[in-house]
Amino acid sequence: QVQLQESGPGLVTPSQTLSLTCSVSTDSINNGSYYWNWIRQPAGRGLEWIGRISSSGSTNYNPSLKGRVSISIDTSENQFSLRLISVTAADTALYYCARHKSARLDYWGQGRLVTVSS
Amino acid sequence: DIQVTQSPSSLSASVGDRVSITCRASQNITSYLNWYQQKPGKAPRLLIYAAFTLQSGVPSRFAGGGSGTDFSLNVSDLQPEDRATYYCQQSFTSPITFGQGTRLEIK
Repeated sequence: QVQLQESGPGLVTPSQTLSLTCSVSTDSINNGSYYWNWIRQPAGRGLEWIGRISSSGSTNYNPSLKGRVSISIDTSENQFSLRLISVTAADTALYYCARHKSARLDYWGQGRLVTVSS
Repeated sequence: DIQVTQSPSSLSASVGDRVSITCRASQNITSYLNWYQQKPGKAPRLLIYAAFTLQSGVPSRFAGGGSGTDFSLNVSDLQPEDRATYYCQQSFTSPITFGQGTRLEIK
């Protein structure tokens, strides 16, 4: 059973950078068959895909985030990370990491609530 | 971006009923359509992928169908534990997009 766990600060100051890490256990992040994704969900609202990265470092991002996002991968630590710059209150959400295999998101982390506030 | 529109946004049904949720894509996505169930306070759970393939461990009461632009999720013999919000998601092309969700209440 693949397990993903998000970690990082739960409170970020407006205009600063949101940084989260997803640790992957019982599965190798180096497996070329998978993409590693970030998805977010504002309270009481739907799901928004943020972006993804492959084991080789190839990335795709949601254009709606207007170049504020970057995703990196550390295969030695079996984890991948999200950075979102210039955050505002609109970035307050529950952030999920998830594995993407064969065109589906089959394993998800439990989510990390990030609040943007001064 | 491919838009994915779900309907209805909410519905209420009784135990034992059969319900149907539809999802329409703004362009042909062949069978690249997945369905997720999200219970309150929990992460989404993959139910169906590639339009109609049941994820391992998901009860056979759940069934998906459709192709191209029109898809459906059918839940038969509704159970109390089916109370959740259901999302469709297209993976035909990046960016991945989700429907707005359908909240299912059990009477």
